[in-house]
Amino acid sequence: EAAVTQSPRNKVTVTGGNVTLSCRQTNSHNYMYWYRQDTGHGLRLIHYSYGAGNLQIGDVPDGYKATRTTQEDFFLLLELASPSQTSLYFCASSGGTGGQAPLFGEGTRLSVL
Amino acid sequence: QQKVQQSPESLIVPEGGMASLNCTFSDRNSQYFWWYRQHSGEGPKALMSIFSNGDKKEGRFTAHLNKASLHVSLHIKDSQPSDSALYFCAVSIVYAQGLTFGLGTRVSVFP
Repeated sequence: EAAVTQSPRNKVTVTGGNVTLSCRQTNSHNYMYWYRQDTGHGLRLIHYSYGAGNLQIGDVPDGYKATRTTQEDFFLLLELASPSQTSLYFCASSGGTGGQAPLFGEGTRLSVL
Repeated sequence: QQKVQQSPESLIVPEGGMASLNCTFSDRNSQYFWWYRQHSGEGPKALMSIFSNGDKKEGRFTAHLNKASLHVSLHIKDSQPSDSALYFCAVSIVYAQGLTFGLGTRVSVFP
């Protein structure tokens, strides 16, 4: 069954700390995405990737880096976390054909104190 | 930049009733439209897609798209308590370049 797995599910860090959020898909999908979800803003696209080694900038990229190491794995890096990055983060993958809806993971809740 | 607006913000529907959700988008080049549903504590799950003008029916759910008026809607017939969730309209101009979401409509179905 198609799935997107995120880890950790919950993370607490302090201001200035380093955080890495992980996402793995075993769907053979080319495209992977990182979104953040905040009340009053919906879901917003941070970064996305067309394949291993590729990175594209989304709509709200400031303060975030991302890296796609393999077709399966996509990481979101917060190198100097700030309280404004407290949010619910979702990873998604899609197969590259227009008919397939992007598939979302279960989310990582991040709190920056 | 694409703007996607949803209305109403929240909706209370009796069990067995009809829920109607609306979405407007700003970019006339938009090609792909999905409705997602998110239950509390879970990730968004795709409910249905619509890519051509007109209606598309899948079970109790009917989507309607009118690209000329920049409008897409979702109607839920015979609403069930399990339909209580946050519903998002998601729009894409280029499929691979990610989705732009509205803020969502919270639907509550009471028995």
